[in-house]
Amino acid sequence: DAGVIQSPRHEVTEMGQEVTLRCKPISGHNSLFWYRQTMMRGLELLIYFNNNVPIDDSGMPEDRFSAKMPNASFSTLKIQPSEPRDSAVYFCASSLGHATGELFFGEGSRLTVL
Amino acid sequence: GQQVMQIPQYQHVQEGEDFTTYCNSSTTLSNIQWYKQRPGGHPVFLIQLVKSGEVKKQKRLTFQFGEAKKNSSLHITATQTTDVGTYFCAGRGANQGGKLIFGQGTELSVKP
Repeated sequence: DAGVIQSPRHEVTEMGQEVTLRCKPISGHNSLFWYRQTMMRGLELLIYFNNNVPIDDSGMPEDRFSAKMPNASFSTLKIQPSEPRDSAVYFCASSLGHATGELFFGEGSRLTVL
Repeated sequence: GQQVMQIPQYQHVQEGEDFTTYCNSSTTLSNIQWYKQRPGGHPVFLIQLVKSGEVKKQKRLTFQFGEAKKNSSLHITATQTTDVGTYFCAGRGANQGGKLIFGQGTELSVKP
């Protein structure tokens, strides 16, 4: 079975540009999480969805970040405009079950903003 | 808000030595999970603990959940070079639904 699929794997962009990261969760999973990983701050939860509905977005840094889940098989994380401090690895994870399931992580999207 | 603290940040051991990482939460947890991330990789689920005082074993790995459900530990007996990576605990606060907060992780290096 395919795992969580993220794209792009790597993105290099210039400050001020829009960045869109994509995620396809494991089929049948009903919860989806977006995490950001940096050396300084570790793994930070940005937002998570349950049954396509955003449940907690308190980790989203600021209005430049937005996330959507239009259907059960697709989610996006958008940064507009991007800044150098947004450089990080962004992980998408999905789980079966809202409050007890293990998370299956994608390979991550490494973002570099120049 | 809920915080999960993990120590130590780094641990260097000689192959064959034991290793322990500790995790403490600022709030009572409904469950705690442990993950391993190899260098350049993504976190991979190891185990989940739910009950107060629970102890689970996976070969050389022993996981414990504290009686108060606010702390946890992972102990590796006789480390091997394949144990290299960063170990994360991740907790769900009671009444926090699905929100899973990760500790900072403990990076383990094993010298052969």
